[in-house]
Amino acid sequence: QVQLVQSGAEVKKPGASVRVSCEASGYTFTDYYMHWVRQAHGQGLEWMGMINPRSSDSADAPKFQGRLTLTRDTSTSTVYLDLGSLRSDDTAIYYCARAAHRDLRQLSFYFFDHWGQGTLVTVSS
Amino acid sequence: DIQMTQSPSSVSASVGDSVTITCRASQTIETYLNWYQQRPGQVPKLLIYAASTLQSGVPSRFSGSGSGTDFTLTISSLQPEDFAVYYCQESYSPLYSFGQGTRLEIK
Repeated sequence: QVQLVQSGAEVKKPGASVRVSCEASGYTFTDYYMHWVRQAHGQGLEWMGMINPRSSDSADAPKFQGRLTLTRDTSTSTVYLDLGSLRSDDTAIYYCARAAHRDLRQLSFYFFDHWGQGTLVTVSS
Repeated sequence: DIQMTQSPSSVSASVGDSVTITCRASQTIETYLNWYQQRPGQVPKLLIYAASTLQSGVPSRFSGSGSGTDFTLTISSLQPEDFAVYYCQESYSPLYSFGQGTRLEIK
């Protein structure tokens, strides 16, 4: 079965960087884009970015440009999120999510069908 | 950027009731609309994609409709496990924006 297993909780100081990993299993790693979504406590879901594990091409939301780096290691079926210049408002649970797609009505639809368990990143001095 | 706006922000209902949640996009997204459910302390779960296609394993009391800018998620005959937060998400743009969420509470 599909599993996305994320690394453990992190506590960082403002200005530092954090790396969160997401190891995939149960499917062909390079066949599905991986996305990152975060959720501050009591708040909604915020899309951060995505990576194509086959090509390593990535894209991220404008608000993270310059701070966010997405990479992957195909030998271990793992994607990584690196977020730099951390601020207190980066405190959140970070999720990886696999993007599946279906072709319907001659259109291609993408959706997040499997999610990692989440990684709490706390930024505090 | 496409803005996704859900209404209401919260709604109270009883077991057995029917509830409809609305999601509006700031520009047309055709039918590139997904719905997720997030129970307290849990990971989001996909309910519906392509505006109206039920994800495998999701009960048939969940249904979605709409196209263009206006979409609805309807839950008929509410069950105790349905009390959760619901999010819409557009997959029309490469930014995959989410709505702010609708909290469904027990009356």
